[in-house]
Amino acid sequence: NAGVTQTPKFQVLKTGQSMTLQCAQDMNHNSMYWYRQDPGMGLRLIYYSASEGTTDKGEVPNGYNVSRLNKREFSLRLESAAPSQTSVYFCASSGLYRETDNEQFFGPGTRLTVL
Amino acid sequence: GQQVMQIPQYQHVQEGEDFTTYCNSSTTLSNIQWYKQRPGGHPVFLIQLVKSGEVKKQKRLTFQFGEAKKNSSLHITATQTTDVGTYFCAGLEPMNRDDKIIFGKGTRLHILP
Repeated sequence: NAGVTQTPKFQVLKTGQSMTLQCAQDMNHNSMYWYRQDPGMGLRLIYYSASEGTTDKGEVPNGYNVSRLNKREFSLRLESAAPSQTSVYFCASSGLYRETDNEQFFGPGTRLTVL
Repeated sequence: GQQVMQIPQYQHVQEGEDFTTYCNSSTTLSNIQWYKQRPGGHPVFLIQLVKSGEVKKQKRLTFQFGEAKKNSSLHITATQTTDVGTYFCAGLEPMNRDDKIIFGKGTRLHILP
């Protein structure tokens, strides 16, 4: 099992460009998440999907859109990149059971720089 | 909304010294999880605590969940260079209808040789 995979690993964009970050998991998890991590800010939730076909906003959704394409895949789109979106982006997935088996498995991250 | 506060933000210790990080929630939690992130890496799950007053050990790591299920701690005995990284706690609220947990900002541990 590959666990959680993310592409690309690194990306440099110019202000105003768009791109989609891809995430896939092979653990049959219901829930998937997108976080951004900035120095000193910990992990901030952008969007999440509790099950296939549903998505909800997290703490910092502005400037992003998501698509839960199927149970395996959850993509994050930046329509018009801004320098404030320079960050490390992590995708994660969890759980079969809400309270007893819901550890999150993280992908390796995408390091995005917006010039 | 729910907040999870973690202290300290940074900690420098001599190799062999002990280390503790504390996590406090503004609300009662169903469970609390701890993650470790090595420099340049991604967060990796360490443990989950569910019961009030629960204590779990993993080798030199001791995890505690408070009686009121609003706070938790991670204690590392006799730190080693392999312990370097950032430790995050994350809590789940009882009324949360999905699996969305709230992460603390983390404690970055640096080991001095």
